[in-house]
Amino acid sequence: QLIERGGDLVQPGGSLRLSCSASGFTFGDYSMTWVRQAPGKGLEWLNFIRRESYGGTTEDAASVKGRFSIARDDSKGIVYLQMNSLRVEDTAIYYCSREADSGWHFDLWGPGTLVTVSS
Amino acid sequence: QSALTQPPSASGSLGQSVTISCTGTSNDIGNYDYVSWYQQHPGRPPKLIIFGINRRPSGVPDRFSGSKSGNTASLTVSGLQAEDEADYYCSSTVGPNNYVFGTGTTVTV
Repeated sequence: QLIERGGDLVQPGGSLRLSCSASGFTFGDYSMTWVRQAPGKGLEWLNFIRRESYGGTTEDAASVKGRFSIARDDSKGIVYLQMNSLRVEDTAIYYCSREADSGWHFDLWGPGTLVTVSS
Repeated sequence: QSALTQPPSASGSLGQSVTISCTGTSNDIGNYDYVSWYQQHPGRPPKLIIFGINRRPSGVPDRFSGSKSGNTASLTVSGLQAEDEADYYCSSTVGPNNYVFGTGTTVTV
């Protein structure tokens, strides 16, 4: 399973780091991603990090490039999302998800954590 | 990258079928066979129901099926059941491990 943590109320311009703890599978064998959903809105893909055997490199959506970054600690089974320069429109539920072994889709999702950006 | 376009809503009666379209471009759906569909019930995370255009994960009923033609993918739910009432999102890759989701469709049974 996946469990996200770190959601909070933060002021515009602030920073927040989310974490996602994995259990029940060999974390290091999988690439991971973050997806968010603003209240009453659709899903938005944010960031992706490849498994170490694929280089551990990252991909970022244009909408968050330069503000959000993804990282992983395979020794702890955790993937992180560092969010800087937060805006009101970043208010959303943030989900971490596992890319399936066969690639190109996401087969395991956490319950999500709520980030609220407001003054 | 713009979101893929889905109709906001679709409906059908119990036992009937409903088909949801997902329209992209030659840069996403039209260029890759990596279309997936997710079902989301209120207050719940998304659940994968279709991947690789028309493949179902273990445990997903065969009432769910997918297809693709050109820049448009489709999800068909046959034999609608009450529990199929949910939001549905398509997704496609737009390049190596870059993804885009659809705008979402609310299915009412």
